[in-house]
Amino acid sequence: DSGVTQTPKHLITATGQRVTLRCSPRSGDLSVYWYQQSLDQGLQFLIQYYNGEERAKGNILERFSAQQFPDLHSELNLSSLELGDSALYFCASSVASQGSEQYFGPGTRLTVT
Amino acid sequence: GQQLNQSPQSMFIQEGEDVSMNCTSSSIFNTWLWYKQDPGEGPVLLIALYKAGELTSNGRLTAQFGITRKDSFLNISASIPSDVGIYFCAGRHGGTSYGKLTFGQGTILTVHP
Repeated sequence: DSGVTQTPKHLITATGQRVTLRCSPRSGDLSVYWYQQSLDQGLQFLIQYYNGEERAKGNILERFSAQQFPDLHSELNLSSLELGDSALYFCASSVASQGSEQYFGPGTRLTVT
Repeated sequence: GQQLNQSPQSMFIQEGEDVSMNCTSSSIFNTWLWYKQDPGEGPVLLIALYKAGELTSNGRLTAQFGITRKDSFLNISASIPSDVGIYFCAGRHGGTSYGKLTFGQGTILTVHP
């Protein structure tokens, strides 16, 4: 157990819908990262927050957004969902904004039908 | 998005054999990491490397940070059935990329008892 929690574990929804994925970092970690894992693209970095502020952005679609709250938990919002958004979404956390190791949560499996 | 070139893609070995896998990149990384992922789980950090030429062990696992900073190697000695899983390399540039990790495509390891 990495100490990073993610909910829900599984999510099934229809195209065009909007979902919210939630992540709680390890105790003491200030950085939260979101990654998408799909069969064709592998593990892709989406976005990083550090102590409530966006730090780095990867290949995140405009339909996706994230935020980190004062209690340091983070949410990833996915809207206007398409079939191709079906994937595993992982959250990771680390102590610092860079140079410290990332520990991954168990992931949320999103299926868009 | 950019990915590291990880090889081999898959390996089928007998219990007790040694395993080697590697990652190469066209760009320099400041940190190399090796993760293992079991089905339905998030990646688990195995080894982190911070300096060119660094050789680090974690039990039966040994990893090296290539001197060019563009490659890394992972060796597993005397494999056992629980070594089965997908192994990922990941690189971090640091600087304005902050904590962003770039992942290899993964090596699927199967160990026959």
